[in-house]
Amino acid sequence: GAGVSQSPRYKVAKRGQDVALRCDPISGHVSLFWYQQALGQGPEFLTYFQNEAQLDKSGLPSDRFFAERPEGSVSTLKIQRTQQEDSAVYLCASSPSLGSEQFFGPGTRLTVL
Amino acid sequence: QKEVEQNSGPLSVPEGAIASLNCTYSDRGSQSFFWYRQYSGKSPELIMFIYSNGDKEDGRFTAQLNKASQYVSLLIRDSQPSDSATYLCAVKGTGNQFYFGTGTSLTVIP
Repeated sequence: GAGVSQSPRYKVAKRGQDVALRCDPISGHVSLFWYQQALGQGPEFLTYFQNEAQLDKSGLPSDRFFAERPEGSVSTLKIQRTQQEDSAVYLCASSPSLGSEQFFGPGTRLTVL
Repeated sequence: QKEVEQNSGPLSVPEGAIASLNCTYSDRGSQSFFWYRQYSGKSPELIMFIYSNGDKEDGRFTAQLNKASQYVSLLIRDSQPSDSATYLCAVKGTGNQFYFGTGTSLTVIP
């Protein structure tokens, strides 16, 4: 079956631009997580959803970061006024229920120039 | 102190040997523990998870959990060159967040 998909796979943005990263979870998975992974580090939690409800956004590094999942399926992570320190791989993961194993998408590599 | 600690390695083992990867965690209330494999340039791939103290075996992989010592390990038997990757330990804390270690880089030498 189809896994988690993310688009775009690569994004180059000029500093100050807004970007939107999309995640399409495994069908039927109610939980969706966003992570940021810097080179040589493990994924760092950003936010998660249970269906359409954003239950925890404590990991978002600033108010420039915003995530939504309006219909409880596809999710979008938006970064406004990108900065160089936002350059990283953004990973999306979904799980069939909260607390169970998570399955990752291929990630979006964001480079801010 | 980080939530999840792993030795970053690199760990090198000869082909056919047992690779042992270790992880400690700080939240004593943690209930669920996961091992992921991440090849260079790829996303993490779930290997196995463990919830109860003791050992859990899946093919060449064995996860070991000791909640009293706040310690999780992954053993890879009959290591193959294709096992060369970074292994990430993840812990679900008392909330619903997953905390990841920085990963241990494993190289299996043919």
